[in-house]
Amino acid sequence: QVQLRESGPGLVKPSETLSLTCTVSGGSISSSNYYWGWIRQPPGRGLEWIGTIFYTGNTYYNPSLKSRVTISVDTSKNQFSLKLTSVTAADTAFYYCARDSHGGAFDIWGLGTTVTVSS
Amino acid sequence: EIVLTQSPGTLSLSPGERATLSCRASQTVISTYLAWYQQKPGQAPRLLIYGASSRATGIPDRFSGSGSGTDFTLTISRLEPEDFAVYYCQQYGSSWTFGQGTKVEIK
Repeated sequence: QVQLRESGPGLVKPSETLSLTCTVSGGSISSSNYYWGWIRQPPGRGLEWIGTIFYTGNTYYNPSLKSRVTISVDTSKNQFSLKLTSVTAADTAFYYCARDSHGGAFDIWGLGTTVTVSS
Repeated sequence: EIVLTQSPGTLSLSPGERATLSCRASQTVISTYLAWYQQKPGQAPRLLIYGASSRATGIPDRFSGSGSGTDFTLTISRLEPEDFAVYYCQQYGSSWTFGQGTKVEIK
């Protein structure tokens, strides 16, 4: 049973960099069948796709966030990571990592982690 | 960017009734690359439908998806108490975008 778990600081100061890691267990991140994504949800609001990565390192980013986002993969640790630079209060959200197994639909999600941007 | 508009914003129904949720895209969704998710409070979204009409693993057959082009529908044939939640559509034919959600609440 594949499981995903997000980890990282819950509080980030404005203008700093948000860093989160997603650890995949019960399956290999290096499978050619899957992509891996980050999605966020501001409090009380809808879902926003941040970006997606393949185990080879190919990445796809939301155009509205592209200048500030980097997603990377570490196959030796079965992890992938999110970095979001120059954060503001608008980046306060619940952040999810998820597996994409249907060419873009996310079938397995982590429990999510809350990130607050505040001084 | 393809914008997805879901309607209605809130649907008030009773258990046993039929729910029909709409998702309209600003441009044609390539190859019916459209998914539906259910989200309950405090939980991660759950994939219900992908490819516009294929049910994900373990999803009851009271959930069905249909549509193509720019108009898509999620139908819940008979609402069970556990179906009251927020539903999101998502397209993945051209980048990835989500709709703003439809809340299905108990009448």
